[in-house]
Amino acid sequence: EAGVVQSPRYKIIEKKQPVAFWCNPISGHNTLYWYRQNLGQGPELLIRYENEEAVDDSQLPKDRFSAERLKGVDSTLKIQPAELGDSAVYLCASSKREAFGNTIYFGEGSWLTVV
Amino acid sequence: RKEVEQDPGPFNVPEGATVAFNCTYSNSASQSFFWYRQDCRKEPKLLMSVYSSGNEDGRFTAQLNRASQYISLLIRDSKLSDSATYLCVVFPPYTGNQFYFGTGTSLTVIP
Repeated sequence: EAGVVQSPRYKIIEKKQPVAFWCNPISGHNTLYWYRQNLGQGPELLIRYENEEAVDDSQLPKDRFSAERLKGVDSTLKIQPAELGDSAVYLCASSKREAFGNTIYFGEGSWLTVV
Repeated sequence: RKEVEQDPGPFNVPEGATVAFNCTYSNSASQSFFWYRQDCRKEPKLLMSVYSSGNEDGRFTAQLNRASQYISLLIRDSKLSDSATYLCVVFPPYTGNQFYFGTGTSLTVIP
């Protein structure tokens, strides 16, 4: 079974430029997450989707960040304009409701450096 | 209060040593708990789920203490390849499909 796929793996951009990340979750996983992780910290939730509906975006900086999950499968996360403090790894993850409980699976991450 | 708290370490231990990490959680109704391993510049990967009765997988043992609201991870006979960050993850009820992560505990196993 294919895992969570993300692209690009690495991105270096100048501040004030836009950037977009793409994620394809594990097939059949209805819940999709975008996390941001800084060095030495745990992942912090940006947004969570149940199918195509964003059910928790309280931590998403909406002035510059946007996300969508059209058709309830793939998702994109966009930053415009990027700031120096946005340098981090952006992790996409997915999970599925199962009888014995949920487990979350991560993609390899998109490493962003803003210069 | 944070949902999940971990001692960030770092823990530096010699090969063959036994090392234990603890993690506390704030929601007493939480039912699902996990330990994830994260290697440098890699994504977190599931190491093991933590069951009420405790569970063991080779050199790794996970335990849950509901009364004190903490979970633990014990690594016996540490190997160089165990060097990584270990993330505690809690899945509370009634929060939707929301997972809460600790900040991670860094382990370095020294030759």
